[in-house]
Amino acid sequence: NAGVTQTPKFQVLKTGQSMTLQCAQDMNHNSMYWYRQDPGMGLRLIYYSASEGTTDKGEVPNGYNVSRLNKREFSLRLESAAPSQTSVYFCASSENTGPNYGYTFGSGTRLTVV
Amino acid sequence: GNSVTQMEGPVTLSEEAFLTINCTYTATGYPSLFWYVQYPGEGLQLLLKATKADDKGSNKGFEATYRKETTSFHLEKGSVQVSDSAVYFCALMRSSASKIIFGSGTRLSIRP
Repeated sequence: NAGVTQTPKFQVLKTGQSMTLQCAQDMNHNSMYWYRQDPGMGLRLIYYSASEGTTDKGEVPNGYNVSRLNKREFSLRLESAAPSQTSVYFCASSENTGPNYGYTFGSGTRLTVV
Repeated sequence: GNSVTQMEGPVTLSEEAFLTINCTYTATGYPSLFWYVQYPGEGLQLLLKATKADDKGSNKGFEATYRKETTSFHLEKGSVQVSDSAVYFCALMRSSASKIIFGSGTRLSIRP
């Protein structure tokens, strides 16, 4: 019963480097989300995918790209990392979009950009 | 726009004390309201929810009532335990929306 699995758990990057955060869910959920969590600011939505084959911007999409590789996997890419992207990143999924469906979250990726 | 405002933490209580964490929201229409909990080193988990005015969500001894007149969804528990130490997030979703909006979170610490 893995739920939502994120890799890696920790990462340190140098400014300008690129990397991809991986997320996979095994619950057959249609919708997936990427959030970042910063002190005092709660969670802010970066991108989401309402269903396989679709992606949409959230509140803070600049500097990020996403790929919904298939129904299970939703990756987040930083093309040229900046110190402002130091954060904890959470992937989440839900059966569908809409208020009747709660989110299941992964355990997060702690990213530091130096 | 739509937003959620929570009381700032940290909140520190002794075991068996009564807990209230305040949450108010701004939204058009009748959003659904949620409380999520984040234990140390983990992702968020849904604690409870309410989808219409006067609904009460409850789980694990926690309760929150959807108050349309005061646009509030305060979290309460009658007797807290050390294991309740976590960060609590209030959140909303409009019925026509496809994503949840979270508050900034309130850290709760319970002393034995």
